[in-house]
Amino acid sequence: KAGVTQTPRYLIKTRGQQVTLSCSPISGHRSVSWYQQTPGQGLQFLFEYFSETQRNKGNFPGRFSGRQFSNSRSEMNVSTLELGDSALYLCASSLEPGGVYEQYFGPGTRLTVT
Amino acid sequence: GNSVTQMEGPVTLSEEAFLTINCTYTATGYPSLFWYVQYPGEGLQLLLKATKADDKGSNKGFEATYRKETTSFHLEKGSVQVSDSAVYFCALSNNAGNMLTFGGGTRLMVKP
Repeated sequence: KAGVTQTPRYLIKTRGQQVTLSCSPISGHRSVSWYQQTPGQGLQFLFEYFSETQRNKGNFPGRFSGRQFSNSRSEMNVSTLELGDSALYLCASSLEPGGVYEQYFGPGTRLTVT
Repeated sequence: GNSVTQMEGPVTLSEEAFLTINCTYTATGYPSLFWYVQYPGEGLQLLLKATKADDKGSNKGFEATYRKETTSFHLEKGSVQVSDSAVYFCALSNNAGNMLTFGGGTRLMVKP
């Protein structure tokens, strides 16, 4: 079974631009979560989606948004990029929401903002 | 709110040494607890989990016991290998959703 895939793997953008990252969950998984990983702040939760609905959102500004499609694939968008948005963005999928369900992480998208 | 505190690294050990990485948490209710491992250039892999008090999670020689009385979930391995070198993250989630709260990570370096 294919794992969680994220595209692109690497991205370089300029301040003020916007970016869209994509995540394809494991087949059959309907829950997708996104995390930001930086050396300074560590791993921080961004959003959680299930059945095309956002269930939870972390403490990030409105520039960060996401969505989930009917096939469970998810995208996240960051508008008006800032230098501090440089990070590894990780996507995780699970069968359904709930701490008892194992979350499988993708390899991440490394975003560099210059 | 929820929080996870784990020992800062790096932890440097010789091969076959005993490993302990401390993790304590603060949470409301009865969270599930996890250890994830991250190898260089890769995403996170679930190492083990425990979903209720006194549960012991184990995998690949690693173990951790959910101690509600001390709010701890310390990771242990009896004999580490060079291939165990990685960053280890302790995490928790409430059972209503998938939001994981992570500790800061502990880098383990195992020398031959």
